Amino acid sequence: GENVEQHPSTLSVQEGDSAVIKCTYSDSASNYFPWYKQELGKRPQLIIDIRSNVGEKKDQRIAVTLNKTAKHFSLHITETQPGDSAVYFCATSWGKLQFGAGTQVVVTP
Amino acid sequence: DGGITQSPKYLFRKEGQNVTLSCEQNLNHDAMYWYRQDPGQGLRLIYYSQIVNDFQKGDIAEGYSVTREKKESFPLTVTSAQKNPTAFYLCASSFGYGAEAFFGQGTRLTVV
Repeated sequence: GENVEQHPSTLSVQEGDSAVIKCTYSDSASNYFPWYKQELGKRPQLIIDIRSNVGEKKDQRIAVTLNKTAKHFSLHITETQPGDSAVYFCATSWGKLQFGAGTQVVVTP
Repeated sequence: DGGITQSPKYLFRKEGQNVTLSCEQNLNHDAMYWYRQDPGQGLRLIYYSQIVNDFQKGDIAEGYSVTREKKESFPLTVTSAQKNPTAFYLCASSFGYGAEAFFGQGTRLTVV
């Protein structure tokens, strides 16, 4: 089955710095790559997604890049704020939607 | 109020009993999913369904069962065969392949 590996498992950054989370996948048929943010005690919510025909997508302070040849995609958060502290999940989709193990991001003031 | 609803929020059961977790959506989504969330292990796929009366096993289906008799509903039964049932269970739905998935608020199941 599909295997989605996500790194790092924890990430501590100073407010204002950038954060990068990387994911790799195994199924070359995957064509949709969303990122979800889960704040403590809340449900996961989509923050950005990218499709296989696009290499990069930006939305204000967040961006996602995709390298289909290498089968990896990354989430970039710039100018981090305390409100960015959460668990972030990458996922891949081809039929079923499968998630990575998550990255706990802590933004310290 | 539109969305995806899981009930109850907290559930306690004795070991050896089957228990059914409810998931209902009024978003007209075709696809529905069940995930189990344990600390440090992310969201692991239990079962998913792309259409009514059809569903497929995910990565950790053993000890679980589902039905999809209605588009709006995708109940999950945790059977006594599931060795470690205590966990946080999340249901999600989407329009299908390559579409944003929306999550319910989750059910925390504790088996004692």
